Amino acid sequence: EPEVTQTPSHQVTQMGQEVILRCVPISNHLYFYWYRQILGQKVEFLVSFYNNEISEKSEIFDDQFSVERPDGSNFTLKIRSTKLEDSAMYFCASSDGQDFYNEQFFGPGTRLTVL
Amino acid sequence: DAKTTQPPSMDCAEGRAANLPCNHSTISGNEYVYWYRQIHSQGPQYIIHGLKNNETNEMASLIITEDRKSSTLILPHATLRDTAVYYCIVRPKTSYDKVIFGPGTSLSVIP
Repeated sequence: EPEVTQTPSHQVTQMGQEVILRCVPISNHLYFYWYRQILGQKVEFLVSFYNNEISEKSEIFDDQFSVERPDGSNFTLKIRSTKLEDSAMYFCASSDGQDFYNEQFFGPGTRLTVL
Repeated sequence: DAKTTQPPSMDCAEGRAANLPCNHSTISGNEYVYWYRQIHSQGPQYIIHGLKNNETNEMASLIITEDRKSSTLILPHATLRDTAVYYCIVRPKTSYDKVIFGPGTSLSVIP
């Protein structure tokens, strides 16, 4: 069964450093998403992406965040200057956009630890 | 914010049916009821969705009341691997909307 993959599974970085989280969505999917989950808290929406542009973003997704689909298969989330409060699990998701009911498939997540 | 209300936690004996309730009294006519679950430290996983009719798939059954103000997710024979947080989510029909997660119900399946 096709699945969303994410790399790395765990990323440790120093405060102020840039990180790039990578995702490979399911191949025929058209809509892509990033969510995050701070330890012990609920899953929060960050951004949705369609047709090479951002469809929607939350207030969390400020100027420090950016997304890109550089090569038609990868979908990346960049945090330019990480803060301690960016420590969280980051989940990528995708949906085919053809199914009326928009089942979103989530990846296993990247655990980001900012020291 | 999430438009649903769920109990924060529930227990279920292994092999028994797990019935997870959800209230969505403000649901509008074009909104579907979706259920996802999140096993510890993993990504959320879609389970089932419905509009007004009861639905069943290989994972679960979804019972929606006639007035659509509440629903119940049924795991017919719970196993230890069903221990997870279960999210009841109300979403419109559009194919690209974000999923808004609430706190969900933490289900513990007990041997």
